[in-house]
Amino acid sequence: AQSVTQLDSQVPVFEEAPVELRCNYSSSVSVYLFWYVQYPNQGLQLLLKYLSGSTLVESINGFEAEFNKSQTSFHLRKPSVHISDTAEYFCAVTHTGGFKTIFGAGTRLFVKA
Amino acid sequence: GAGVSQSPRYKVAKRGQDVALRCDPISGHVSLFWYQQALGQGPEFLTYFQNEAQLDKSGLPSDRFFAERPEGSVSTLKIQRTQQEDSAVYLCASSPQREGNIQYFGAGTRLSVL
Repeated sequence: AQSVTQLDSQVPVFEEAPVELRCNYSSSVSVYLFWYVQYPNQGLQLLLKYLSGSTLVESINGFEAEFNKSQTSFHLRKPSVHISDTAEYFCAVTHTGGFKTIFGAGTRLFVKA
Repeated sequence: GAGVSQSPRYKVAKRGQDVALRCDPISGHVSLFWYQQALGQGPEFLTYFQNEAQLDKSGLPSDRFFAERPEGSVSTLKIQRTQQEDSAVYLCASSPQREGNIQYFGAGTRLSVL
């Protein structure tokens, strides 16, 4: 069975500071990995994904995540956050060839001025 | 709009009442998912359709929950004899068949059972 652990339920950070949101997963088979973001009163949106190839993946708004197979992690980072990054972030995993997606409990990122 | 549409956005039900939640997926998407999201938690898988076929319903909490997608497009999640523990946000997502399981989510229906 697969599981996803997001180690921090809330992360407060000042604007322009760096941030890391941690995600660890467990699975006995190969997986696809995702980060989704949920802004207030909106649905989840895909932020970035790892399917295969380069283990470092980037989003269009400056976030990046690195797939580390040995540590079964997929931490999300941004070198300088903006107020507009305030949202809930969900890490998710799907085993390759499958469709059932397991989500973590979410990390609420709160960016302060 | 071209996104996933869910209705109603909010639903208040009295305990014991039946409810029906609707999902309009993105046109042409063959895969459709339903999730339940409790307060402060991540989405929990309920069921999955590929076109009109319900391939997995292992996440449905009880036989009071029923989902259908009769023509392979619009889907309805029905909850019979609602209980307070059914209060949650119900999310629908759709996916094109060959995109590595990337899902496109609707805004959800917030169900409150009194």
